[in-house]
Formats: sequence, C-alpha cells, structure tokens
Amino acid sequence: EDKVVQSPLSLVVHEGDTVTLNCSYEVTNFRSLLWYKQEKKAPTFLFMLTSSGIEKKSGRLSSILDKKELFSILNITATQTGDSAIYLCAVERQGAQKLVFGQGTRLTINP
Amino acid sequence: NAGVTQTPKFQVLKTGQSMTLQCAQDMNHNSMYWYRQDPGMGLRLIYYSASEGTTDKGEVPNGYNVSRLNKREFSLRLESAAPSQTSVYFCASSALAGVPDTQYFGPGTRLTVL
Repeated sequence: EDKVVQSPLSLVVHEGDTVTLNCSYEVTNFRSLLWYKQEKKAPTFLFMLTSSGIEKKSGRLSSILDKKELFSILNITATQTGDSAIYLCAVERQGAQKLVFGQGTRLTINP
Repeated sequence: NAGVTQTPKFQVLKTGQSMTLQCAQDMNHNSMYWYRQDPGMGLRLIYYSASEGTTDKGEVPNGYNVSRLNKREFSLRLESAAPSQTSVYFCASSALAGVPDTQYFGPGTRLTVL
C-alpha cells in the first residue's frame, strides 16, 4: 500500500526564520511528488518533482527530491506570517492517475 | 475564470439523511476527484474519474456513490449520512490522464452530520 509520511506535523517559528519540511514516501513505480499549500480553503499547487536531485524554486520556497532515499524536503527562507498554512505532500504512482497525500505539516509563523 | 466550483459550501444533515455534493470544472479537464479532509489525516481519496464515463474507488469509498454526469461535472452522493462522514469535502480536477499533472481544487464543502 502506498504511504506518505510528513514531519513535523506541526511547527511554530518566528518571522524571518528558515524552515524545512519533510516528506518521505513508499510507493510502487513512483511517477511524481507534489507539494501543496493550504491556507483557509483549497490546497494550491506549489511544486511537482519527478527527477532526483533537481531543485525547484519559487521565490523563497524551494524543494528537492531524493528518489534513492525516498524523500523530499520543502524549504522556506525568511519566513513571513503569510507563509502560515498547512503544507501537503502527495505522490503519484505510474498509471495510477490519483494522488496519495501525507497528513500535512501545520506551519505557524509568529511575528 | 471559475476553475473548480463546489456546492453547497456548508451543509448540516441529520443521521440517515441523504444529499448530493456538486462539483463542476470549466478547464476542459479529463480527470476529476473527490477527497475528504479530517484533522490530522491529510486528504483521503474517496472516488475518482480518470475520464468521462469511468469512475473508480479511492481509499475510503464506503458510504458514498459518485456520478460523472459529463466532462464538466462530478457529483458525490451520501445515501444515508452518518456522523463519521462529518468532514470537509474537496473536489479536484486535472487536465491529463496518464502523465504527471497537478490537480486543481475547489473551495470545499463543510459537512456536519448530527
């Protein structure tokens, strides 16, 4: 059975700190790993990773995938209060046409 | 540009009542999905439709039925609601079946079953 585990489940930091969120997975015939940000309502897409070792960046957010060790990290530098959200990791298997989500990490940035 | 829309936004049911959650997308996407989200559980897939005319069970299908009415619309039905179905329900869609692609989510329906 496919499995995605995120850590930590909850994290509270001060504005300006750098945070690293973790996502490990067990999936047969891996195809892609996705990161989403969920504020009050619907998850919004951040990154899709399919190749190992290639960093994806968007402003202060970056993510990298290690297909050998079966994990991904999401980094946020110079955090702002607007980064407060639940961050979700999901994996997709070849031919499955569906995502398996982790439990999410609830990130709180205090001013 | 509406994207994925869901109705209703909120609903309160009594145990045993039935209801249908509606979802529509205007992005000409092939695949559509229904998830539920409970505290500490992330998103769990209930049912999905890889393309018009097909539906498949996800992780937690018991107590639900779905209909892919056409390419735009995918509804989720609770025939006899139970308190364990209290949750936030999200519909999502993605453009392409068979290749890596992101899913776009609707705003969610918060359902309470008393």
